[in-house]
Amino acid sequence: DTAVSQTPKYLVTQMGNDKSIKCEQNLGHDTMYWYKQDSKKFLKIMFSYNNKELIINETVPNRFSPKSPDKAHLNLHINSLELGDSAVYFCASSQAWSPKTNEQFFGPGTRLTVL
Amino acid sequence: AQTVTQSQPEMSVQEAETVTLSCTYDTSESDYYLFWYKQPPSRQMILVIRQEAYKQQNATENRFSVNFQKAAKSFSLKISDSQLGDAAMYFCAYRNAGNNRKLIWGLGTSLAVNP
Repeated sequence: DTAVSQTPKYLVTQMGNDKSIKCEQNLGHDTMYWYKQDSKKFLKIMFSYNNKELIINETVPNRFSPKSPDKAHLNLHINSLELGDSAVYFCASSQAWSPKTNEQFFGPGTRLTVL
Repeated sequence: AQTVTQSQPEMSVQEAETVTLSCTYDTSESDYYLFWYKQPPSRQMILVIRQEAYKQQNATENRFSVNFQKAAKSFSLKISDSQLGDAAMYFCAYRNAGNNRKLIWGLGTSLAVNP
């Protein structure tokens, strides 16, 4: 069973389009995250939700909007896509009060290419 | 603000040999967690090993062990009996204890394993 899943795994689109990436976790975790990994492999946190409440919101263009319909899902919607948005986007989840020091479990990533 | 530094962008090791990847961090906190994540070409992020700052004993997971030097703020990863499947990007990450669940990431070390 997949613990953290993302769809789609690959996304190729034109500049200016609007796209969404979906994330679901079946681990029963209460916290979910979105990360962006650029071409140099640098990982940067974008957002984090705990029980559907936004708790981390880094300096990200407001073209990016996360939505958490329930604590098992955290979707990322991107408006007016730009070339610089091309990256791999990772979803992750963790349990706030886990004895395992809040290990984050990652999805397989979504490679977004903006043409 | 906390920072994580991985000073070795690339490393290589012969199969069956031992390699050490370095990581240093900067924090004024006394309670925190440290992690090593592995990202193989499949791009899946996999937790390799974790260390709680309050524990003096170095964490070990099979062939993977850490050398945690709290005073020096150093957290190196040792891989013994290297295998071809160990070839990957390795990321060091830091997280404060408490409610702030944000992981601070290093830039990664690309490890090649030579047969």
